[in-house]
Amino acid sequence: AQSVAQPEDQVNVAEGNPLTVKCTYSVSGNPYLFWYVQYPNRGLQFLLKYITGDNLVKGSYGFEAEFNKSQTSFHLKKPSALVSDSALYFCAVSVFESYQLTFGKGTKLSVIP
Amino acid sequence: EAGVAQSPRYKIIEKRQSVAFWCNPISGHATLYWYQQILGQGPKLLIQFQNNGVVDDSQLPKDRFSAERLKGVDSTLKIQPAKLEDSAVYLCASSLDQMRGGNQPQHFGDGTRLSIL
Repeated sequence: AQSVAQPEDQVNVAEGNPLTVKCTYSVSGNPYLFWYVQYPNRGLQFLLKYITGDNLVKGSYGFEAEFNKSQTSFHLKKPSALVSDSALYFCAVSVFESYQLTFGKGTKLSVIP
Repeated sequence: EAGVAQSPRYKIIEKRQSVAFWCNPISGHATLYWYQQILGQGPKLLIQFQNNGVVDDSQLPKDRFSAERLKGVDSTLKIQPAKLEDSAVYLCASSLDQMRGGNQPQHFGDGTRLSIL
């Protein structure tokens, strides 16, 4: 069975500082990894994905994520946080021919002015 | 392009009543999903359609939940009878043909917030 762990319920960061939201996964086989963001009372919005190739993936709004196979991690990063980045972030995983996307429980990011 | 449309946005019912949610996916998206998101948790897949056929409904409580996607476009999710533990946000998502590799990003609607009294 596939699973995702987001070890931090909440991450606080000062505006302008770099941010990291952590994600680790467990799958049988090669993973497809995703990050989504959810603003209050809205649906999830796709940020980026890792399928294969370069371990550093760039996505929307200046976010990027680094795939680390040995540590089974896919941490989300941004060099300089904005107040508008404050939201709920979900990591998700699937595998080829599984089609089912399994989400973590989410990490609330608060960027403090 | 227009996004995934869902209605209603909010619904309050009493336990044992029935409720239905509607979803219109992005035009051209063959794969449609219904998720349940309980407060403080990530979305949990209830059912996945490929056109008008069911791909995965292993986590759908079939004694009370049903879903259909007639004509391979719009979809409805029904709960009958509702229980207190069904209080959640029900999210619909769609994507390009997921059967070609499972790596298509999903596009989500804003969901229906269901409260059971």
